[in-house]
Amino acid sequence: AQKITQTQPGMFVQEKEAVTLDCTYDTSDPSYGLFWYKQPSSGEMIFLIYQGSYDQQNATEGRYSLNFQKARKSANLVISASQLGDSAMYFCAMRDLNTNAGKSTFGDGTTLTVKP
Amino acid sequence: DTAVSQTPKYLVTQMGNDKSIKCEQNLGHDTMYWYKQDSKKFLKIMFSYNNKELIINETVPNRFSPKSPDKAHLNLHINSLELGDSAVYFCASSQVGRGSGYGYTFGSGTRLTVV
Repeated sequence: AQKITQTQPGMFVQEKEAVTLDCTYDTSDPSYGLFWYKQPSSGEMIFLIYQGSYDQQNATEGRYSLNFQKARKSANLVISASQLGDSAMYFCAMRDLNTNAGKSTFGDGTTLTVKP
Repeated sequence: DTAVSQTPKYLVTQMGNDKSIKCEQNLGHDTMYWYKQDSKKFLKIMFSYNNKELIINETVPNRFSPKSPDKAHLNLHINSLELGDSAVYFCASSQVGRGSGYGYTFGSGTRLTVV
C-alpha cells in the first residue's frame, strides 16, 4: 500500500523568499511517480510538477522544483521567489507506474500563506 | 476550450433524492476518475475507468454508480442521498499507459450539499 505524509499543516513565507513543503512517502512499488498539486481558495486542483522514481535529475518547472531523495523517501516541493498568488493548499501524491489503474494516493495537504 | 468539464458546479438537494454529475474531457486521455474531497480537504479516490472499463472501485457504497459511455465521458449517479455525501466531487483525467508520468487534469469540482 502507498502512503504519503505531509507533516506541515500550515506554512508561512515572506513574499519573494523561497519555501520548502515537505513530503515523505512509503511504497513497495519499484516504479512510481511523485506529483504535486496546488489548490487555491477558489477550489480548482492544478498539477504542478512530476518526478519519476528512476529519474536521475530533480524535476523543475519554472519556480517549482522537486527535491527528490529516494533513499530518504522524500519528495519536497521548493517554491522560489514566492508570490502572493502562491497562497494555496498544496498536495503531494504518488502513483504506481506499472499499472493501468492510475490511482494516485494524496497526502493531507499543506496550506501555504505568502505574506506581503 | 475547457480540458475537463464537470457539471454542475454546485448541487444542493434533499436527503433521499437521486442526482447525477457529468464529466467530459477533450484531452484524449485514456483514464478518468472520481475523487471525493471532504470538509477537511482529504482527497480519496472513488472510481477509475481506463478506456471505458472500470478499474478501481474503492469501497464506495452501492448508491454511487459511475457510467462511462466512451473514454471521453464519465458520469456519477448517486441514489438516496445522505447527509454524509456532502463533499466536493472532482472528476479528473490522465494518460496512464505503463511508465507514463502524466499528472491529473481536474475538473472544477462539484460542491454537493445534502440538506
